[in-house]
Amino acid sequence: DSGVTQTPKHLITATGQRVTLRCSPRSGDLSVYWYQQSLDQGLQFLIQYYNGEERAKGNILERFSAQQFPDLHSELNLSSLELGDSALYFCASSRGVNTEAFFGQGTRLTVV
Amino acid sequence: GEDVEQSLFLSVREGDSSVINCTYTDSSSTYLYWYKQEPGAGLQLLTYIFSNMDMKQDQRLTVLLNKKDKHLSLRIADTQTGDSAIYFCAERNSSASKIIFGSGTRLSIRP
Repeated sequence: DSGVTQTPKHLITATGQRVTLRCSPRSGDLSVYWYQQSLDQGLQFLIQYYNGEERAKGNILERFSAQQFPDLHSELNLSSLELGDSALYFCASSRGVNTEAFFGQGTRLTVV
Repeated sequence: GEDVEQSLFLSVREGDSSVINCTYTDSSSTYLYWYKQEPGAGLQLLTYIFSNMDMKQDQRLTVLLNKKDKHLSLRIADTQTGDSAIYFCAERNSSASKIIFGSGTRLSIRP
């Protein structure tokens, strides 16, 4: 167990809908990362937060947004969902911005 | 740019050593990681190495880094069936926060 908790584990929703994925980092970790893993794209970095502030942005669509709250948990919001958004979404956390990152078990999103 | 390359598949006999190779392009990479992903599971950090090191050993795992050639390898000694998984190589440089992953190498073990 990495100590990073993601909920829900599975999510099935229809096209056009909006979902929120939640991540609780390891105790003491200030940095949270979001990744998308799909069969054809591999592991794609979406966004990183450090102590509540956006730190780095990757290939995140405009339909997606994230935030990190004062208690350091993070949420990834996906809206106007498309079939192609079906993927595993991973959250990772690390102590600082350049230390090793530990991953949660992921949320499997299926858009039908 | 940043790119990490790995071969997609590796098959080894149980008890043999597995060597998974990775190349990266970012010469300013500071940290290099190996993650393991078992079916239906998340990514487990196996080991990491700093760019000022050549080698790191941890029980059955040995990481070798050739910084000149930008080549990283993971050797698993006495490979067991429980080692079946996808192994991801990843890199990060000190000025960037994101970790860039390779496409993963699927390791299968044959009896």
